Amino acid sequence: QITLEESGPTLVKPTQTLTLTCTFSGFSVSTYGAGVGWIRQPPGKALEWLALIYWDDDKRYSPSLKNRLTITKDTSKNHVVLRMTNMDPVDTATYFCAHTTALAGKYDFDSWGQGTLVTVSS
Amino acid sequence: SYELTQPPSVSVSPGQTARITCSGERLGDKFACWYQQKPGQSPVLVLYEDKKRPSGIPERFSGSNSGNTATLTISGTQAMDEADYYCQAWDSDTWVFGGGTRLTVL
Repeated sequence: QITLEESGPTLVKPTQTLTLTCTFSGFSVSTYGAGVGWIRQPPGKALEWLALIYWDDDKRYSPSLKNRLTITKDTSKNHVVLRMTNMDPVDTATYFCAHTTALAGKYDFDSWGQGTLVTVSS
Repeated sequence: SYELTQPPSVSVSPGQTARITCSGERLGDKFACWYQQKPGQSPVLVLYEDKKRPSGIPERFSGSNSGNTATLTISGTQAMDEADYYCQAWDSDTWVFGGGTRLTVL
């Protein structure tokens, strides 16, 4: 059974850098095909994909946010970390991490964490 | 950038069939998937690769994808199916979500 859990600050100030950690079990991010993505959801709004990292350290970023995002993985700790720079109040959202598998044609997220609400305010 | 469009809301009576559409350019050439999200909860994958159901998802959930439109169909809709539904596809190394559809069972 795959489980994921997001952790990080609940409140950040404008211009600060947000660092979120996704801790998971039930799979290894070093296993062929494994991937972890980050998705966010502002209050009352839709889901927005942010970034994804694969087992082979291949990384993908949302074109609209790529200049602010960095995704990394720590295989030994079963962690994936997302950093987002220059936070703004519009970045207030629940941030989810989710598992995916790099198989041909398969781009869905089959397991999700419970999400962590991050508020950006001075 | 690629976009997916969903109707903001769909209403259905209990026991009837609900259909939620997702439109995107040549979406039928890609795989679509669908998530169900209830208030205060994380999204749950209910369909992947257009029409496949993950383990534990009831058979009343089905899907199709052709042309520019993917459709999530819920047959015999139950009160527990009331939720927000999001479609998602992959295009040019980006994962794209639709704007979401609120399904009301009344």
